[in-house]
Amino acid sequence: GQQLNQSPQSMFIQEGEDVSMNCTSSSIFNTWLWYKQDPGEGPVLLIALYKAGELTSNGRLTAQFGTTRKDSFLNISASIPSDVGIYFCAGRSSGTYKYIFGTGTRLKVLA
Amino acid sequence: DAMVIQNPRYQVTQFGKPVTLSCSQTLNHNVMYWYQQKSSQAPKLLFHYYDKDFNNEADTPDNFQSRRPNTSFCFLDIRSPGLGDAAMYLCATSSPDRGNGEQYFGPGTRLTVT
Repeated sequence: GQQLNQSPQSMFIQEGEDVSMNCTSSSIFNTWLWYKQDPGEGPVLLIALYKAGELTSNGRLTAQFGTTRKDSFLNISASIPSDVGIYFCAGRSSGTYKYIFGTGTRLKVLA
Repeated sequence: DAMVIQNPRYQVTQFGKPVTLSCSQTLNHNVMYWYQQKSSQAPKLLFHYYDKDFNNEADTPDNFQSRRPNTSFCFLDIRSPGLGDAAMYLCATSSPDRGNGEQYFGPGTRLTVT
């Protein structure tokens, strides 16, 4: 099935550093979601975005709905060891109840 | 707290032996989804229900069936599990019609096929 391009695929960072990742699509979306998944668990919803240009924060996390409606960005500030995991973006177009997922960004934080 | 619940968390079945995975939700969402996830890949949508309307993905094998007896419960039936069906199965819910596009996942059921 269709997948979104998510980058980077993986990254190692030092504790305290900021992290950026993004998702791009060939389709226009009206909803972007960002998830974090720990091993053996289901994805946990971090942030939901509904409008082009929207910037939303959740603690140290900030996500943006791209102005073209074909991309989205997630930033994590001052990373800590518990930020380790896989981050997925997901987008939904109008007229459908299905969400298209990104390929995931695996984050590893070095203490 | 409102949530999505999956039982069991771990399921072991034998090759060819039917198995049923369960999902329930207290969010009162009208859409329920079943995903298959392997090896930290992105979740792969198998099918979803909009209320009682069943929507199958074109590439979902016939071996996979689903039932939704009411708003709260949804079941995934694997009629004859093969070794390739070993995976994490994720249930999720949403209610986009309410103007809220959030989709919430359960903790997943890890299926092992022996």
